[in-house]
Amino acid sequence: AQTVTQSQPEMSVQEAETVTLSCTYDTSESDYYLFWYKQPPSRQMILVIRQEAYKQQNATENRFSVNFQKAAKSFSLKISDSQLGDAAMYFCAYREAGTASKLTFGTGTRLQVTL
Amino acid sequence: EPEVTQTPSHQVTQMGQEVILRCVPISNHLYFYWYRQILGQKVEFLVSFYNNEISEKSEIFDDQFSVERPDGSNFTLKIRSTKLEDSAMYFCASNLAGNLDGYTFGSGTRLTVV
Repeated sequence: AQTVTQSQPEMSVQEAETVTLSCTYDTSESDYYLFWYKQPPSRQMILVIRQEAYKQQNATENRFSVNFQKAAKSFSLKISDSQLGDAAMYFCAYREAGTASKLTFGTGTRLQVTL
Repeated sequence: EPEVTQTPSHQVTQMGQEVILRCVPISNHLYFYWYRQILGQKVEFLVSFYNNEISEKSEIFDDQFSVERPDGSNFTLKIRSTKLEDSAMYFCASNLAGNLDGYTFGSGTRLTVV
């Protein structure tokens, strides 16, 4: 079974600084998808960024980028120029390549942004 | 931007009662899911649904749970006889098709069993 591990329960970053959230996963599949979701206090799950495993290029969405290391099964999220609104729980998630495949989530990292 | 809508946002029920959580997925989406998040814990998969039948279900999704798409727009999760440990946030999600999308999640229903 696939597992997703987030080893940092909490992280803190100063406004305008950069922070990296770690995620590792375990799978025997070669084709899959990885995601970072943000969960603010409202508890809605918001997609931040996604990465297709077959793509070597790291995904980027504005201030958010990933470092995808397929061989190491590592998928970290970098947030640049952190803003107060970035404070939230961040969940890493894995999905097999399949049209109805479920998401498997990590335990989350709570990000604090300080002034 | 299209949304997945869940109602109610918060439901309190007595142990042993039946509850129905409702979801309206995005209209052209074909795949539907329920996830659960016990307070302070990770989000867990419950069930996926496609073409009017369950595609996959987790160990959590036992005989007390059922899903239905009664009218082509709503997607419901029923818990027949609630237990205290069913207290959680329940998220509905939908997906158009294919592998490129994460899902679109609803804003969740907080279920409290007393």
